[in-house]
Amino acid sequence: AQSVTQLGSHVSVSEGALVLLRCNYSSSVPPYLFWYVQYPNQGLQLLLKYTSAATLVKGINGFEAEFKKSETSFHLTKPSAHMSDAAEYFCAVTGGGGYQKVTFGIGTKLQVIP
Amino acid sequence: GAVVSQHPSRVICKSGTSVKIECRSLDFQATTMFWYRQFPKQSLMLMATSNEGSKATYEQGVEKDKFLINHASLTLSTLTVTSAHPEDSSFYICSAVPGLNQPQHFGDGTRLSIL
Repeated sequence: AQSVTQLGSHVSVSEGALVLLRCNYSSSVPPYLFWYVQYPNQGLQLLLKYTSAATLVKGINGFEAEFKKSETSFHLTKPSAHMSDAAEYFCAVTGGGGYQKVTFGIGTKLQVIP
Repeated sequence: GAVVSQHPSRVICKSGTSVKIECRSLDFQATTMFWYRQFPKQSLMLMATSNEGSKATYEQGVEKDKFLINHASLTLSTLTVTSAHPEDSSFYICSAVPGLNQPQHFGDGTRLSIL
């Protein structure tokens, strides 16, 4: 079984500031981890994924995340926030590859202040 | 690549109506598709796993007779909400997996409103 905890349901940052969205996971097997972004009334778009290769994963729109096994974390970062980054972000975990079910966190709503 | 199309994007209908939602993988074949339900300001809750050519696997608490899933081809899965009631109003999202060890790719969702 696996689970995801996203710390902070709402995060506000100023435009140009560092974005840090926290995600901790629990998995009984080596996990695959994902970050998705959701804009209002839309589906989810994959930002990046960790699938047991490099621990620092770079994604689209300047986002990256680092897999830290010792901390069971997969935090999402971006050096400089843009207004267009305002959205809901979901961390997700699956217990390995194949066609496993994905467990989502509750989501973090990112607000970017001009 | 890996585009998933979901139709319709929005449905408003009367109580007691059955509603069909389609999920198509446009540029890949998907033996497995997933159906989720998302309540306002909440995360996605997996409803069922749809497997081409076989019966869907439903999560605990999801009524299989209420939410009928048909995965008739490698590019199409449908979710039918039978005799819909206001409590079925929600945002329904499908996803498809393009291949082994690949992440899920999501449709844009269907906003279902039952009056």
